[in-house]
Amino acid sequence: EVQLVESGGGLIQPGGSLRLSCIVSGFTVRSNYMAWVRQAPGKGLEWVSVIYSDSSDSKTYYADSVKGRFTISRDNSKNTLYLQLNSLRDEDTAVYYCARVSGGWYFDYWGQGTLVSVSS
Amino acid sequence: QSALTQPASVSGSPGQSITISCTGTGSDVGGYSYVSWYQHHPGKAPKVMIYEVSNRPSGVPDRFSGSKSGNTASLTISGLQAEDEADYYCTSYTTSRRLWVFGGGTKLTVL
Repeated sequence: EVQLVESGGGLIQPGGSLRLSCIVSGFTVRSNYMAWVRQAPGKGLEWVSVIYSDSSDSKTYYADSVKGRFTISRDNSKNTLYLQLNSLRDEDTAVYYCARVSGGWYFDYWGQGTLVSVSS
Repeated sequence: QSALTQPASVSGSPGQSITISCTGTGSDVGGYSYVSWYQHHPGKAPKVMIYEVSNRPSGVPDRFSGSKSGNTASLTISGLQAEDEADYYCTSYTTSRRLWVFGGGTKLTVL
């Protein structure tokens, strides 16, 4: 059974840092494209970042809104995806979901999400 | 402002059909066959209902169908059921810097 379980969210002050984790079971993260998608309160979904598979050189890409502040990575030995969030802003407040990217450029498996609240 | 435009809400009675539109540009919806649709119940993980414009993952009822014409994609739900009440999002792959663009979401109410 495929499971993605996010953790690491919480209340953080503007300018602070946080690391989100997504523990995956049922497939290997190194062989798949993995992404983070977020949803701000009362807003729609927004793609945040993607990391390609090992065979695709583990390339990483970011939405303009987070480029230079967020870093996506994975630990193959732990089958875990990460998102390092630095220089957090109020507008980064959202539920953050990890998801697997399927071959047709869609997200076929999702976690339940972890809430990040940025507030002073 | 979302990159793809969806109606904020639609509604229908049980058994009826509804269609949700998703309008983009030639750089996303119109340029690729990588449009997908997601059902999202608040507090739960989003679920893919349609991928590559019109394909249904296994386990998704055939009441759900997708299509595309030009820069507009559509999700049709026929034979509405109470459990279909949720938020629906379209997304398209794009080779712009954003890679994926989402619609703003449509709240479906089953009357």
